[in-house]
Amino acid sequence: EIVMTQSPATLSVSPGERASLSCRASQSVSSFLAWYQHKPGQAPRLLFYGASTRATGIPARFSGSGSGTEFTLTISSLQSEDFAVYYCHQYIDRPLTFGGGTKVEIK
Amino acid sequence: EIQLVESGGGLVQPGGSLRLSCAASGFIFNSFAMGWVRQAPGKGLEWVSCISGGGGSTYSADSMEGRFTISRDNSKNTLFLEMNSLRDDDTAVYYCARMDGTDAYRDGFDVWGRGTVVTVSS
Repeated sequence: EIVMTQSPATLSVSPGERASLSCRASQSVSSFLAWYQHKPGQAPRLLFYGASTRATGIPARFSGSGSGTEFTLTISSLQSEDFAVYYCHQYIDRPLTFGGGTKVEIK
Repeated sequence: EIQLVESGGGLVQPGGSLRLSCAASGFIFNSFAMGWVRQAPGKGLEWVSCISGGGGSTYSADSMEGRFTISRDNSKNTLFLEMNSLRDDDTAVYYCARMDGTDAYRDGFDVWGRGTVVTVSS
């Protein structure tokens, strides 16, 4: 099983600041990596697939990078609607696995 | 508008059964693989099972293999999850999600429902 490890668990950021979220895979997942945003009571929302391809409707302030075992999700200037939990997800191999999540909270 | 709406959750005793449904609309259902993902209270996301667009191939997480069965009715644009021998640790929100391909092979989840709550407790 490929273990996905996200850091930090919680990130306290002020609106307008930059946030960088890390995701590490226990073995290479190439670029078969997705990022999701999840708010309480809502459906998770796809942000990126293929590690760096932005999903439809995702603002340009979000960017995804990396390949192999190291990945980063960057939010260039946090808006109020961006405070949420973010998950990375590998889909190169079954069992499909997710990271434990990074909660981005208001500082 | 693409929509996935789950139903069928509820309170069930340990050892009991439930059948979850997911009604899909706004896309050609049989062209996409589908899956279930769950989130236990205070925990992260956990993959449960997935099925190819035609329904001929299914895959499940080891901890659910033999207890949970995924299926689909393409004539009714509906995905199902039959859950048997339920345990306390199956308590979770269960999400239905569309996969970005037909074969459920190296496809991520691109559209999700809001989930249905399953509580296993005596």
